[in-house]
Amino acid sequence: AQSVTQLDSQVPVFEEAPVELRCNYSSSVSVYLFWYVQYPNQGLQLLLKYLSGSTLVKGINGFEAEFNKSQTSFHLRKPSVHISDTAEYFCAVSNSGYALNFGKGTSLLVTP
Amino acid sequence: DAGVIQSPRHEVTEMGQEVTLRCKPISGHDYLFWYRQTMMRGLELLIYFNNNVPIDDSGMPEDRFSAKMPNASFSTLKIQPSEPRDSAVYFCASSFGQGEEKLFFGSGTQLSVL
Repeated sequence: AQSVTQLDSQVPVFEEAPVELRCNYSSSVSVYLFWYVQYPNQGLQLLLKYLSGSTLVKGINGFEAEFNKSQTSFHLRKPSVHISDTAEYFCAVSNSGYALNFGKGTSLLVTP
Repeated sequence: DAGVIQSPRHEVTEMGQEVTLRCKPISGHDYLFWYRQTMMRGLELLIYFNNNVPIDDSGMPEDRFSAKMPNASFSTLKIQPSEPRDSAVYFCASSFGQGEEKLFFGSGTQLSVL
């Protein structure tokens, strides 16, 4: 079975600073990897996904993530965050592309 | 399309009562998922359907939980009898197979069992 570990439960950062949210996965087979974002009182929205091909994946709102097979990681990055990026971020893994296993989430708090 | 629609948005009930959560997936989507979100356990996949057929219910915590999908446009998650530890936000999500691999989530049902 595949699983995901998000190493930081909370990440505080100042506006316009860079940010990295860490995600490590475990799986014995090929995986698909995802990052979802959840704004308060809303459902999750897809930020980006890695299925195959280029290991650097670009998503919405200026986010990107890099798949590193040797380190079993899929860290999310943004070079300059905005106040509006404050949200909960979830890394997820699947070996089918359909049924996802989510990490526990990382709360990103952007302050002025 | 209005997206995935869940009802009710909030449900407060007493221990022992039956609770039914409802979900209308996006038209044309052939996968439907039920997730539960708590602070302690994060997001857990409870069950998912493909073309109205349950594929994997290994995440359903106990026999008190049951889910049905009588047709392509409707699904229910039922808890009977409910317990305080069932308090959580329950999300329904749907996706279109054939390589889309993107889940569309509803806004969730906040369940409080007193």
